Amino acid sequence: DAGVTQSPTHLIKTRGQHVTLRCSPISGHKSVSWYQQVLGQGPQFIFQYYEKEERGRGNFPDRFSARQFPNYSSELNVNALLLGDSALYLCASSLNRGNYGYTFGSGTRLTVV
Amino acid sequence: AQSVTQLDSQVPVFEEAPVELRCNYSSSVSVYLFWYVQYPNQGLQLLLKYLSGSTLVKGINGFEAEFNKSQTSFHLRKPSVHISDTAEYFCAVSEEDYKLSFGAGTTVTVRA
Repeated sequence: DAGVTQSPTHLIKTRGQHVTLRCSPISGHKSVSWYQQVLGQGPQFIFQYYEKEERGRGNFPDRFSARQFPNYSSELNVNALLLGDSALYLCASSLNRGNYGYTFGSGTRLTVV
Repeated sequence: AQSVTQLDSQVPVFEEAPVELRCNYSSSVSVYLFWYVQYPNQGLQLLLKYLSGSTLVKGINGFEAEFNKSQTSFHLRKPSVHISDTAEYFCAVSEEDYKLSFGAGTTVTVRA
């Protein structure tokens, strides 16, 4: 079975641009969460989606948005990129809302220049 | 809100020696506890989890952890490490909202 897949694996953007990151959960998993991991730090929670509805949001500005599609895949969008948005963005999926643990993808490395 | 403190930022250890990574958490409600490992340029892999029941939890690759509610700790141990255990280790906690709060991580470097 395929694990959690994220695309692209790496990308470089310029300040002020917009970026879309994509995530496909494990087949059958209905919950997707997004995390930001800045170099040298632990991951920080951005969003959780369950059954296509937003169920939680972390302390991130409105420039960050996300959605979950009928097939349970998800997109994370970031507008007006700042240098500080440079990070590894991790997607995690779970069968339900996550109380049995999440499976993480390998992440998308975003560099803003 | 919950928070996690990993007490050691770096742990050097010799091959075949034991290792313990310390994790303390703060929360006002019941929690679920996790340890994840991250190898260079990769995502997070679940090592073990505590949801309820026995306070001694066994995970993959010979790791185990003990939940201590009175000390709000969840320390990770392995009796004999290998070179391949060199990685970053993250302790995480979640409450009823199921979002994970992570510690800052502990870098384990295993030397021959």
